[in-house]
Amino acid sequence: KNEVEQSPQNLTAQEGEFITINCSYSVGISALHWLQQHPGGGIVSLFMLSSGKKKHGRLIATINIQEKHSSLHITASHPRDSAVYICAVLNYGGATNKLIFGTGTLLAVQP
Amino acid sequence: EAQVTQNPRYLITVTGKKLTVTCSQNMNHEYMSWYRQDPGLGLRQIYYSMNVEVTDKGDVPEGYKVSRKEKRNFPLILESPSPNQTSLYFCASSLRDSLNYGYTFGSGTRLTVV
Repeated sequence: KNEVEQSPQNLTAQEGEFITINCSYSVGISALHWLQQHPGGGIVSLFMLSSGKKKHGRLIATINIQEKHSSLHITASHPRDSAVYICAVLNYGGATNKLIFGTGTLLAVQP
Repeated sequence: EAQVTQNPRYLITVTGKKLTVTCSQNMNHEYMSWYRQDPGLGLRQIYYSMNVEVTDKGDVPEGYKVSRKEKRNFPLILESPSPNQTSLYFCASSLRDSLNYGYTFGSGTRLTVV
């Protein structure tokens, strides 16, 4: 079993829909990252969370440390949101600053 | 602009021909790391460096070497590339206190070994 699991693996939505991507992890963590990767593109850090909730524009990320679960929400989705969204956790005891990655969620937003 | 620069972006090479992928950051970050990304497997750590002259193996180090002679540079060396090293490679950096400052990723290097 992977230490970081994302769901769903693939998601197709219509423009304007509210989208949720989930991330569950089984290790102790110091922080959790949500990353975005466009096709053929580099990786951009969207959020880093250690507790609670963060919002940036139409994106909202939440984390529940007790349940070892995080969600990424996209409100009023747009075709330009189409990308792979990757959850990554910073392993607790992180003298190595090591990130452990989920396998990503491929999101396609159709006009 | 604060960034991590990788070169080349694309590379096709033949089995056994030594190659180097360069990574440079301009943010004075102590921590640098290399990852490979493969379909269905996600990103996996190859090597990392906590500071100059301090490097260590990640999860998949076989067939790779690194060096950290200067703080800004962290090249990835494939001494004798093989087809199973065909992958998308990313370099990333962060301050030692990554908990508060996060990570910056390079644009990626797509390597094909034939």
